[in-house]
Amino acid sequence: SAVISQKPSRDICQRGTSLTIQCQVDSQVTMMFWYRQQPGQSLTLIATANQGSEATYESGFVIDKFPISRPNLTFSTLTVSNMSPEDSSIYLCSVSKGNTEAFFGQGTRLTVV
Amino acid sequence: TQLLEQSPQFLSIQEGENLTVYCNSSSVFSSLQWYRQEPGEGPVLLVTVVTGGEVKKLKRLTFQFGDARKDSSLHITAAQPGDTGLYLCAGAPAGNQFYFGTGTSLTVIP
Repeated sequence: SAVISQKPSRDICQRGTSLTIQCQVDSQVTMMFWYRQQPGQSLTLIATANQGSEATYESGFVIDKFPISRPNLTFSTLTVSNMSPEDSSIYLCSVSKGNTEAFFGQGTRLTVV
Repeated sequence: TQLLEQSPQFLSIQEGENLTVYCNSSSVFSSLQWYRQEPGEGPVLLVTVVTGGEVKKLKRLTFQFGDARKDSSLHITAAQPGDTGLYLCAGAPAGNQFYFGTGTSLTVIP
């Protein structure tokens, strides 16, 4: 298993500002993943954070808007840049052990006003 | 385009009733997972199905993987209010990146 700590757990931000979300894992993992989830809806994969290389973004997500850092095998950050109300969502950090289970942090609930 | 489509999207039933949630894809998966998520928490794994035609039981929950490994179902018998939550199927078609289904929000009314 994996224990994931994410912070902040929630934040209310002004439009036009940026927020950096931190994700810490209790063990070394090759890949970390960032998801976005509207309340009550499913998870959409934003990007895969690889240690030692640039993140890989899914269609519809770009590095300028969601820059990601992965300085070591247990930590990653996701920045939501130049926020607008449409960015209000839950952001989740995840890791997987093989391809049979994904583990999640509790998420960051972001509200942009 | 969503890789995994779930139905129904919303389900509200009385305590004691049975229900089935479906997860369908046009892609073949080496395995599929089912997760349940409660408000304010991340999704938690319920089960992984690996073999085509496989059936797994977890107390009142029965999971089935389609023979062609493109679809799966979750059946809950005698639903209880504690079963309320968002149910998500998921698969990793390549590598370790998980893609999630569209989700089924279940409410069990006491």
